[in-house]
Amino acid sequence: EVQLVESGGGLVQPGGSLRLSCAASGFTFSSSNMIWVRQAPGKGPEWVSHIDNSGGSIHYADSVKGRFTISRDNAKSSLYLQMSSLRAEDTAVYYCATSGGSHWGQGTLVTVSS
Amino acid sequence: DIQMTQSPPSLPASVGDRVIITCRASQSISNSLKWYQQKPGKAPKLLIYDASSLQSGVPSSFSGSGSGTDFTLTINSLQPEDFATYYCQQSYNAPYNFGQGTKLEI
Repeated sequence: EVQLVESGGGLVQPGGSLRLSCAASGFTFSSSNMIWVRQAPGKGPEWVSHIDNSGGSIHYADSVKGRFTISRDNAKSSLYLQMSSLRAEDTAVYYCATSGGSHWGQGTLVTVSS
Repeated sequence: DIQMTQSPPSLPASVGDRVIITCRASQSISNSLKWYQQKPGKAPKLLIYDASSLQSGVPSSFSGSGSGTDFTLTINSLQPEDFATYYCQQSYNAPYNFGQGTKLEI
């Protein structure tokens, strides 16, 4: 069974940093392109970042470019999102997913507030 | 960036109805379009990929069509569990933007 389990969310002050993790199992992670998507309360999904299976091709939404860094460790079947210079508008549930969209995690809530 | 515009934002419907949701891209995206269903507190669920391919396990009452800039999601014979919010997403070029959503309401 395919599983994606996010962790690392929580409450952080504006300007702070947080690192999200996504543990993958049940499929060949090293062959899969992956994405992070976030959803602010009451809003639609927002694509955040994409990384190809090798980590050699990476894209970011303009809203997070220069502040967020996506990475992966294929040996650990894990995806990461390093978030810095966090703002109130980054408050959202963050999902990791396969880039094809067929598998999603349950999400982890990031709240940026003083 | 490619912008995705969905209509209508909300759609009143009844069990047994046939509904059509539209999604328009600001430039041609070939058939690089996905449709998702989302229920409150849950992750989006993939329904359709490549504009018209039905994801495994999704009922055949769902169908997608279109190419280029104009796309539709059709749901035949609405069931109670179909009342949810639907989103399109382009997968042609980064940023892989979503549409604003269509809430299917009883």
